[in-house]
Parts: sequence; C-alpha cells; structure tokens
Amino acid sequence: DQQVKQNSPSLSVQEGRISILNCDYTNSMFDYFLWYKKYPAEGPTFLISISSIKDKNEDGRFTVFLNKSAKHLSLHIVPSQPGDSAVYFCAATTTSNTGKLIFGQGTTLQVKP
Amino acid sequence: DVKVTQSSRYLVKRTGEKVFLECVQDMDHENMFWYRQDPGLGLRLIYFSYDVKMKEKGDIPEGYSVSREKKERFSLILESASTNQTSMYLCASSTPGTVITGELFFGEGSRLTVL
Repeated sequence: DQQVKQNSPSLSVQEGRISILNCDYTNSMFDYFLWYKKYPAEGPTFLISISSIKDKNEDGRFTVFLNKSAKHLSLHIVPSQPGDSAVYFCAATTTSNTGKLIFGQGTTLQVKP
Repeated sequence: DVKVTQSSRYLVKRTGEKVFLECVQDMDHENMFWYRQDPGLGLRLIYFSYDVKMKEKGDIPEGYSVSREKKERFSLILESASTNQTSMYLCASSTPGTVITGELFFGEGSRLTVL
C-alpha cells in the first residue's frame, strides 16, 4: 500500500521554464511533508518542507503547495536550471512517529539547456 | 557538517552469502535508518533504531536484520543474500523531532549486486 505516490516517473523542461512535480498521499494523519533531491551516486538531500497547517512554503526558486482536501502537494521550481536535474522524492510523516519518513517513488527531472 | 558514512559504495555478492552493510554517523544522533532505493518504488524503509540495542521493523524487513551495538554505528545484515536484494541501500540518521525540519541526513549509498 503506497501511502505517498508520485505518479510521474519523469519530467523534462527547458531551462528557465517552470518545473512542477506532483505528489499524492492517502494517509490523512500525515502532518508534515518534505521534498528531497537526489543526484546519482549521492544520498538524498533535504530541499523544502511544509506543515499541514500551511498551504504554501517558499524558499528561493522552490515553492511547495499543499492541498489538504485533495491530499495533494506540488513542488514548483522557477526558473529551472540544468543543475536542478535530479530525482525528486516527496516524503510525509506525522509528528508523533519519532521521525519515520514515508517516501514516494520519485520523479526524475531533466532540465535541458 | 553531519557525516553519514557507508563503508562500501559497491559490493558484488553471490546468492546465499551473508552480507554486512555498515553505517557510521558522527553527530551523536539517536535515530538511524536503513532504506533501499529501487526504480519505480522509491525509498522504502527496512529497519530503524531509536537508540543503542533498540530496533524496529520498517515496511520491508523480510530477509534483513540489523545491529546497533554502539550509538554511532548501525549495521544491516542480509543473512542469505538473494537476487531480489540487488539494490541501492541508503543509511540515514537524525535527532528525534528534527526530521520534520529536514534534518534527516543520508549517506552516499551502497550499491549491492547479488549474482
């Protein structure tokens, strides 16, 4: 049972345009959502997070939007840069579960120069 | 900087062999985790530990065991490796309560191939 789903395995965008990565979840108990980025041969690194009490969080070129009623979140990257090419994982957790993250399948983003 | 070190980046083992994957962190973190990454399946939690000698099963513990004798070290053990355990294994560590702020730190991964 996949509680966190990223239904798009890959996404290709042109440099300078917007990248939108999507994520759906099924467990209404999740109250924190995070995005991690992973380059080949490296471990995932934290990108941005959002609490369930918010609907938007912005950090530079990265913005995460949360729609609780739809159990959907998205990551917007504007403008996209070739260095953003990586695998992006959506993750979710509850504040009561001592820090266990549930990850989605990942979306491979390719930003073309 | 937090450092999570996985002892082997690449391993090739035979079916039936016992395999040890070692992970060491240098930030005195209480929590340590083992994930595996597979295409189309993302990161799946195998086992985690909240403290020395404590362990809990994650979502896919079958075929694996773990050992945490010292706070800084968390070992993943494949008692009898099988081809379906060919994967990228990722170790991570954190302090309780900080994962929600993104403070879950990963090692670079160990790519295991079982022939």
